[in-house]
Amino acid sequence: GAVVSQHPSRVICKSGTSVKIECRSLDFQATTMFWYRQFPKQSLMLMATSNEGSKATYEQGVEKDKFLINHASLTLSTLTVTSAHPEDSSFYICSARSGTSRQTQYFGPGTRLLVL
Amino acid sequence: ILNVEQSPQSLHVQEGDSTNFTCSFPSSNFYALHWYRWETAKSPEALFVMTLNGDEKKKGRISATLNTKEGYSYLYIKGSQPEDSATYLCAFSADSWGKLQFGAGTQVVVTP
Repeated sequence: GAVVSQHPSRVICKSGTSVKIECRSLDFQATTMFWYRQFPKQSLMLMATSNEGSKATYEQGVEKDKFLINHASLTLSTLTVTSAHPEDSSFYICSARSGTSRQTQYFGPGTRLLVL
Repeated sequence: ILNVEQSPQSLHVQEGDSTNFTCSFPSSNFYALHWYRWETAKSPEALFVMTLNGDEKKKGRISATLNTKEGYSYLYIKGSQPEDSATYLCAFSADSWGKLQFGAGTQVVVTP
């Protein structure tokens, strides 16, 4: 149980295009989902917290107009990197929190984004 | 300590040996300490969520202890096996909202 999928697993795009990443909780309802980013040799850094049906809360330094987060249902959250640039190349990973186990976050396998 | 720090950054262990490594975190505003095991190309796997000072948790050959007053947690692997090879992450949370502050991880390589 408590499986989170993420799609795509890797994506290469041209500078200036937008990329959408999906995060799905497959066997539980996730009232809260989180988006993290990891640059090489660094820790996972929280970008934003999204609650189903409401606007995401972004961490300091994360541009909300650049990283659009939608959490339209209890099993799906999407992160759209708009007008991507090479500096947005990174590893993006989501997690979801089950309503029955409020403390544990279950992670997807991540998405490797390369912007050329 | 303002950040979450893990040491060592990496370690090599002979199969059958036991090992342990450390996670240091802020000792103020503590809510929970999480341990994850992360194998390459897979999702991080939740190992433990620890909330009380003095907590000890065990899952198979892996166990963890927690000292919230001094701000550290140890993770132990007993009788290491090649399948224990992974990066072990700890993450600190200061409240119930779920914001996790991660350490950089300890990469464990178990050689036969």
